Parts: sequence; structure tokens; C-alpha cells
Amino acid sequence: EAQVTQNPRYLITVTGKKLTVTCSQNMNHEYMSWYRQDPGLGLRQIYYSMNVEVTDKGDVPEGYKVSRKEKRNFPLILESPSPNQTSLYFCASTPLGGSNQPQHFGDGTRLSIL
Amino acid sequence: LAKTTQPISMDSYEGQEVNITCSHNNIATNDYITWYQQFPSQGPRFIIQGYKTKVTNEVASLFIPADRKSSTLSLPRVSLSDTAVYYCLVGQRETNAGKSTFGDGTTLTVKP
Repeated sequence: EAQVTQNPRYLITVTGKKLTVTCSQNMNHEYMSWYRQDPGLGLRQIYYSMNVEVTDKGDVPEGYKVSRKEKRNFPLILESPSPNQTSLYFCASTPLGGSNQPQHFGDGTRLSIL
Repeated sequence: LAKTTQPISMDSYEGQEVNITCSHNNIATNDYITWYQQFPSQGPRFIIQGYKTKVTNEVASLFIPADRKSSTLSLPRVSLSDTAVYYCLVGQRETNAGKSTFGDGTTLTVKP
């Protein structure tokens, strides 16, 4: 089954404790993105990647890091999490050249930073 | 990326047709228009995409006037399960996959 898988789905942690949210897709897509969603603010893009070793900032990159060492994986790293990063996070992927289904989203990761 | 404007919320009743309009005055020549549906605590799901005139699939229709400065998502005969947030996204097919800016979306509430 074609899917984007995020882990963990839920995480409660404390300020300053480094964490990584993994994202993996099995569709051989070139593009991958991370979004955060907060009440009243819609979906905001954090980082995106156009292929292996190619990443760029989205609208709200501060406090986050990403890497794309393999095509299927695009982890989101919070080196020193803070309470303002408490949010619902989504990973998405899409193939190069577009298609009739541009972005495939994961089921989300709910992070709570205390 | 073109900025989009949608109504914040809409109400409807089961069985009615619902039309949600998105304004995108700064749409570029190569930009496509894509609509997504999102249920609470789930990732957005692609509904439909178009470039001009009319596009129809099994769940919705998308109407785009000649000037392409707006678009209308039409949901025929909605049911309670269509209650969700609907997002309009404008950009090139390839840049849609790269830099993406979602608007605030329209919360559709379908009542019995």
C-alpha cells in the first residue's frame, strides 16, 4: 500500500531534549515536505526536499533541522525543543513532475513540549 | 506563490450542493489550482486539480473562469461525512511539491 509513515504518532517531552520525528514513503517520490499545523494558523511549511541531499526552507524553519540522505526518508529534527513547537506535524511526499495527486500526507505526529 | 483567500466557514445541509470559492488574483501563467480536504487530526487529502475551465472527478467539480483569478470547488449532494476543512492551493505542479503555502482553509459543516 502506498503510504507516508510518520513516527511517533504522539510524543510528550520536555524543553531542550533533542528529538527526531521520522518520515518514510514507499512511493519513490522525489519531493518531501514537513508542515506544522496550529489552531487558527492552518498548515505552514517547515522544510522541503526536492531530492536526496537537496533541502530548502519553508515558511517557518526556525528551530528545526532536516536531512535527506535516502530518497524514502526525511526526518525532522528538533535539536532543542521549546514549548512553542508544541504542534501537530505532517510529512508529505509527491513525485517529480507532478501528478493528479500532488501531495500524499502522513497521519500526523502530535508533539507536546513541556 | 499566489496568495489565496477563502471564506473561513460555511454551513450546509445534507443533500445540498456546496460551492466553495477561492480567490487567487496573483495566479501565474504556469500555476495549477489544487484542492485538499482535511478531517480533524488527519493529513490533508487531495480532492481535485485543474488549470482552466472545468474539471470533474468522482467526488467534486472544479470551475475556473477564463481569467483564472478565482476557482470554485463544487461538492454535489453533501453528506455529514463531508464536514471538513477545505484548502485551496495555487502553484506550479512541480513547485506545489516544493515550496507550498496553504491558506487558512474553509471549514464546511454539513448539518442533518
